Amino acid sequence: GEDVEQSLFLSVREGDSSVINCTYTDSSSTYLYWYKQEPGAGLQLLTYIFSNMDMKQDQRLTVLLNKKDKHLSLRIADTQTGDSAIYFCAERGYGGSQGNLIFGKGTKLSVKP
Amino acid sequence: ETGVTQTPRHLVMGMTNKKSLKCEQHLGHNAMYWYKQSAKKPLELMFVYSLEERVENNSVPSRFSPECPNSSHLFLHLHTLQPEDSALYLCASSQAPAGGAGTNEKLFFGSGTQLSVL
Repeated sequence: GEDVEQSLFLSVREGDSSVINCTYTDSSSTYLYWYKQEPGAGLQLLTYIFSNMDMKQDQRLTVLLNKKDKHLSLRIADTQTGDSAIYFCAERGYGGSQGNLIFGKGTKLSVKP
Repeated sequence: ETGVTQTPRHLVMGMTNKKSLKCEQHLGHNAMYWYKQSAKKPLELMFVYSLEERVENNSVPSRFSPECPNSSHLFLHLHTLQPEDSALYLCASSQAPAGGAGTNEKLFFGSGTQLSVL
């Protein structure tokens, strides 16, 4: 079946760049998403990329998509302590029904001052 | 605030209790969802309502019963739950795109109800 894999933890120093990686298996993926979950909160959509793009930049966030390798990454420039959260990668397959995004288990980002 | 409000934030219940989770969205969306978030597992889609009709039920046990009285409100009725049902239950909404399968779908999540079943 479809699967999305992420490493579970990442620790960086404040001011450094963070790179969170994700791999997926569904070659029919049309859209890929990054969601952020802060403690005690629900998931918040950060950004998304359409599968015919290989890069998308939005302020401090850069999304890179390697469709051949089914690899997605999220780079956060100048990481701040407020960026500490769990980051979820999700993909929307062409065969997927409404709302049925396939999520990874999430990467917990810890930012040290 | 995401425009999706869930109550209660925390719930502790025994296995013989009956309780309900409530979700309300103020975004004018036409689709609402229940997700289950368990520790060390990916988010699981439980139920999908589009235009107030259930369109998907991902083999969820009958002890979970959803209700969608209108496009702004969604309930999850719980009865005779098991300890393994303890999890964070998240509600989400979206404006279902007209294009159908494979189209961009931005979900807006509530803060969730942390459920503990004793």
